Amino acid sequence: QVQLVESGGGLVKPDGSLRLSCAVSGFNFSDYYMGWVRQAPGKGLEWVSYIGSRNIPIYYADSVRGRFTISRDNAKNSLYLQMNSLRVDDTAVYYCARTVISRAPYFEFWGQGTLVTVSS
Amino acid sequence: ETLMTQSPATLSVSPGEGASLSCRASQSVSNTLAWYQQKPGQAPRLLIYDASTRATGIPARFSGSGSGTEFTLTITSLQSEDFAFYYCQQYSHWPLTFGGGTRVEIK
Repeated sequence: QVQLVESGGGLVKPDGSLRLSCAVSGFNFSDYYMGWVRQAPGKGLEWVSYIGSRNIPIYYADSVRGRFTISRDNAKNSLYLQMNSLRVDDTAVYYCARTVISRAPYFEFWGQGTLVTVSS
Repeated sequence: ETLMTQSPATLSVSPGEGASLSCRASQSVSNTLAWYQQKPGQAPRLLIYDASTRATGIPARFSGSGSGTEFTLTITSLQSEDFAFYYCQQYSHWPLTFGGGTRVEIK
């Protein structure tokens, strides 16, 4: 069955960095576009970034562009989000999500999320 | 950016009753709209895509309708497991945007 497992979250100080990982199984990872979506505590969903199956295209939300970098390693069945210059308002649960084979950018499967807390 | 507005913010419904949730887009998104359900402490679950197509395994009591800027998620005869948050998402324009959500609570 399809599984997405995020890791790498934790507590970091403002201006710090973290790298999130998402290990996937149960499907041919290299066939699917992937994304990251976050949810601040008690708030709604916010799309963060999106990557094509061969690393193009790549899109970012304005709120993270220039600070976050999405990447993937198809040989390792893994998706990544490098987060630099973190701010307090980046505090959220970060979900890794898979789109559909047609590449339409909605999310069919989601991981359970990893919590990132940015605080001094 | 395409702003997605959901209403109401909270909907109080008795078990067995129906519910209609609204999602409005600030510009036309054609039929490129998805609905998700999220329960506390859980990841979102895809319910509907392309405005009206149920995702795999989603019960028939969930239906979606609309196109352009006005969309509706209808839940007939709410079951206990349906009390949750619901979000719409447009995927016609970048950036992808979600609505603020509707909480469906037990009346």
